[in-house]
Amino acid sequence: AQSVTQPDIHITVSEGASLELRCNYSYGATPYLFWYVQSPGQGLQLLLKYFSGDTLVQGIKGFEAEFKRSQSSFNLRKPSVHWSDAAEYFCAVGGLHTGRRALTFGSGTRLQVQP
Amino acid sequence: NAGVTQTPKFQVLKTGQSMTLQCAQDMNHNSMYWYRQDPGMGLRLIYYSASEGTTDKGEVPNGYNVSRLNKREFSLRLESAAPSQTSVYFCASLQDGSSYEQYFGPGTRLTVT
Repeated sequence: AQSVTQPDIHITVSEGASLELRCNYSYGATPYLFWYVQSPGQGLQLLLKYFSGDTLVQGIKGFEAEFKRSQSSFNLRKPSVHWSDAAEYFCAVGGLHTGRRALTFGSGTRLQVQP
Repeated sequence: NAGVTQTPKFQVLKTGQSMTLQCAQDMNHNSMYWYRQDPGMGLRLIYYSASEGTTDKGEVPNGYNVSRLNKREFSLRLESAAPSQTSVYFCASLQDGSSYEQYFGPGTRLTVT
């Protein structure tokens, strides 16, 4: 079945440390790829997206993500984490159900930032 | 330009009660969606509407009905609420074109006791 996997449920990093959140998808073609962030009690904010072209994409708040076709991955990175980055992060994929044009979401990774 | 709006923001229901969650978008998008968010499960598609007058089931449609009243509005109805429907509900609309970039509302937090 076509799916999106975020293998890390919870990650804790120290402020100033680097961050990588993993996302893998199961799909035959190149999908549309997204990362969203959700702060506690808030809605979803789009961090970045990949449709085609350069496989390294830059987003807001200093985040970037790299699409690796060979690994079916779209990992999110940040070189230096700030306390305000503590939130839940969702990877989402479009194209898994072409008729719907809906997004399929991973289960999320909750990021905790230690001072 | 408000984007996607949802009402109410919070709601508490008793088992068996009914209610309608409202969603509206002012971006002239054709497609609209309802998702529910549960801990550890991400967002799951309940229903979607590709255009005014059409609706289709998503992954978890049981216990819900929808109405695409016009191009702007897409409502979600719980006819007889159950505790399993306690969740956060998000409405989204899709930017027309070849991408899948959706715009999300702020969510409705529903508790069924």
